[in-house]
Amino acid sequence: DTEVTQTPKHLVMGMTNKKSLKCEQHMGHRAMYWYKQKAKKPPELMFVYSYEKLSINESVPSRFSPECPNSSLLNLHLHALQPEDSALYLCASSQGSARTKNIQYFGAGTRLSVL
Amino acid sequence: SQQGEEDPQALSIQEGENATMNCSYKTSINNLQWYRQNSGRGLVHLILIRSNEREKHSGRLRVTLDTSKKSSSLLITASRAADTASYFCATDGANYGQNFVFGPGTRLSVLP
Repeated sequence: DTEVTQTPKHLVMGMTNKKSLKCEQHMGHRAMYWYKQKAKKPPELMFVYSYEKLSINESVPSRFSPECPNSSLLNLHLHALQPEDSALYLCASSQGSARTKNIQYFGAGTRLSVL
Repeated sequence: SQQGEEDPQALSIQEGENATMNCSYKTSINNLQWYRQNSGRGLVHLILIRSNEREKHSGRLRVTLDTSKKSSSLLITASRAADTASYFCATDGANYGQNFVFGPGTRLSVLP
């Protein structure tokens, strides 16, 4: 099983809403990532969890709050987002933090629209 | 920060032709990877080349790496309509604190 599952596939939310994105993998990977991707742009790294601990936060605004409840699950909690936060949010996982093991497996993404 | 940059930004070819995409980056790397993304979907890993390797093959894919020029190329031979996608290089920096960074990508269109 080389699948990373993201839910929901689509999300529309108002600027005052609170919502969460979910990501799940059962490959035994110990590193999980959140990326943000705007149209016709490359993915931009937001957060990295390594062995369930937040290891990288790329200066992401606090309205995005990641959570890693266990080694298979990764959540991204959203609160008071802005319209410019509308994007495709991608989750990925890799075998570990070792450099040669960081081939990333991506989910299909959640397309978020903030109204 | 280090960053991979691809050229061309867009490439349109006929089925059966070869497609070459280039990637440049700025700092020392541990490895360089190429990914494919079909429209609006997740990325799929294609190939990884380590900093001590110069060339690697996988099926119809050929990747080269020139660390002296800080550049890489991806060649897709005998292209098919199904190869239509965006292709990104991604670099893993060799120094502490350098994170995984994707280049801007090449949008490849293979016309039947």
